[in-house]
Amino acid sequence: GAGVSQSPRYKVAKRGQDVALRCDPISGHVSLFWYQQALGQGPEFLTYFQNEAQLDKSGLPSDRFFAERPEGSVSTLKIQRTQQEDSAVYLCASSPPAASEQFFGPGTRLTVL
Amino acid sequence: KNEVEQSPQNLTAQEGEFITINCSYSVGISALHWLQQHPGGGIVSLFMLSSGKKKHGRLIATINIQEKHSSLHITASHPRDSAVYICAVRSPWGGSEKLVFGKGTKLTVNP
Repeated sequence: GAGVSQSPRYKVAKRGQDVALRCDPISGHVSLFWYQQALGQGPEFLTYFQNEAQLDKSGLPSDRFFAERPEGSVSTLKIQRTQQEDSAVYLCASSPPAASEQFFGPGTRLTVL
Repeated sequence: KNEVEQSPQNLTAQEGEFITINCSYSVGISALHWLQQHPGGGIVSLFMLSSGKKKHGRLIATINIQEKHSSLHITASHPRDSAVYICAVRSPWGGSEKLVFGKGTKLTVNP
């Protein structure tokens, strides 16, 4: 069966550009998470959705970061006016109802020049 | 201080050796996860545990809730075990299902 997919897999942006990263969770998974992983570090939490509701966005580093999941399935993480410190791998994970295990996508590697 | 600490940061072993990776955490948790990350970024969940011990093939994970400590063991290590192993915890409070991750342990198993 299909796992979590993310697109694009790689994105190069010039400083100041806006980017949009897409996550397609496993069908039927209620929970969706976005994490940011800097080089050589563990992932760090950005935001969490349950269906279309964004229940926790405490990890978003600034108001340049915005995430949505309007129909409770596909999610988009948008970064406005990208900065060099935004360079990282952005990971998406989904989780089925009443389960704690998270299934991770392959990530999008964002490089801001 | 990170809420989740892993040791060692890097580990090199010879094929066949017994491997232990440690994880300590400072907060109350509802579950602890061990994850494997290969070069290229893909993360695979190995174990999720809240007490005791779990075994899958050559992998064994244990947790001591009182001591806030978990270990991941690999028996008869093989070069294909080379990866980054990440410990992550989930807090029971606040209603969020988010994971808090350690920095990972990079394991290299040489033939």
